[in-house]
This record gives sequence, C-alpha cells and structure tokens, in this order.
Amino acid sequence: DSGVTQTPKHLITATGQRVTLRCSPRSGDLSVYWYQQSLDQGLQFLIQYYNGEERAKGNILERFSAQQFPDLHSELNLSSLELGDSALYFCASSVIQSDTQYFGPGTRLTVL
Amino acid sequence: GENVEQHPSTLSVQEGDSAVIKCTYSDSASNYFPWYKQELGKRPQLIIDIRSNVGEKKDQRIAVTLNKTAKHFSLHITETQPEDSAVYFCAALDSNYQLIWGAGTKLIIKP
Repeated sequence: DSGVTQTPKHLITATGQRVTLRCSPRSGDLSVYWYQQSLDQGLQFLIQYYNGEERAKGNILERFSAQQFPDLHSELNLSSLELGDSALYFCASSVIQSDTQYFGPGTRLTVL
Repeated sequence: GENVEQHPSTLSVQEGDSAVIKCTYSDSASNYFPWYKQELGKRPQLIIDIRSNVGEKKDQRIAVTLNKTAKHFSLHITETQPEDSAVYFCAALDSNYQLIWGAGTKLIIKP
C-alpha cells in the first residue's frame, strides 16, 4: 500500500456524461500528479499540482480539468465523455517535485 | 524538452536467466532516474532508482546502471523468476522537474 488513495475504484458511465475522480495523497506529500493509461498503453501524464497550484500540464484534453484543494486532496473532472476516454486513471503523489512519485491503485473508467 | 526511449518493447527470457532493459534520455541536466514495475491491472510501483551522482545501484536481484556521458541507463534483473513478469517503465526527471516516461517493456519469464 503506497498511502495514496483513489475513489472510486470502478466507474461505468455513458457517453456525454461527466464524472469526478478523487485522490488523497500520502500524508506530507504536496505534489499530486494525474495519469491516464489506456489498455496496453504507457502512462500518459495529464496534469500536476503542487500545494494547490497547477505546476505542469501534459496531454490533457480541454474536456478534462483538475484541482487541488487546501487539504491537498485532488479531483480530476472528465466531461462530455467519449468511448476513447475509457482507461485506468492513476493519481501519484510526492513530497516535492523532484522526489519519488508514489501511485494510487487507480480508477478504472468505462464509458459505454 | 526531454525525451526518453525505452528498449525493447517486449522481452522474453527463460526463468533463471538475466534480463536487461535500456533507456536513453536527451536532457543532459536530468538527474533522477526511477524504474517502476506494473503488474496487470495494478499500480506502477517503484522498484529501484538512481541519482546522477552514482553510476550503479543494487538491491538484491535488481540493479540499475547509469552512463551520464552516453545518456543512458539500464535495469538489470538476475536469476529471473515468474513473479518478475510485468511491464517495466523507466523515467527521467528533466531540468523542469518533470518526470518523462519511457513507453514500457513487457517482460515475459518463460518456465
């Protein structure tokens, strides 16, 4: 157990819908990262927050947004969902940006 | 920006043999290189990492070597076991403190 928690574990929804994925970092970690992993693919970096502020953006679609709250938990919002958004979404956290990233168990999103 | 290339994409070895996975990076300022193991449907887990002030690091059957001049680093697994079967990802921390990932190597251990 890495200490990073993600909810829900599984999410099944329909095209056009909106969902919110939640991540709680390890105690003491200030940085949160979101990744998307489609079937048999690599890790696609989406976005990073550090102590409430956005620090870096990867290949994140405009339909996706995220935020980090004062208690350091983070939420990833996915809207106007498409079939291709079906994937595993991982959250990771680290103490600072240059430190080791620890991954949560992921949320498996299925869009029907 | 930083680019990380990982080879091979699939590696099949006999149980008990050694496995080597190689990554190259482009940003000479990169100074942190972790390796993650991901089993099917599970989270990526850090198995070993190395910083640029050392050339090699070992942890039981796993070792990582770093060649800063050539800008490449490698993961070595000796005496492979069935539980080593997984996808392995390398990464490099670039000068903007962003972790840039390799595409992954699927390691298959044949009994």
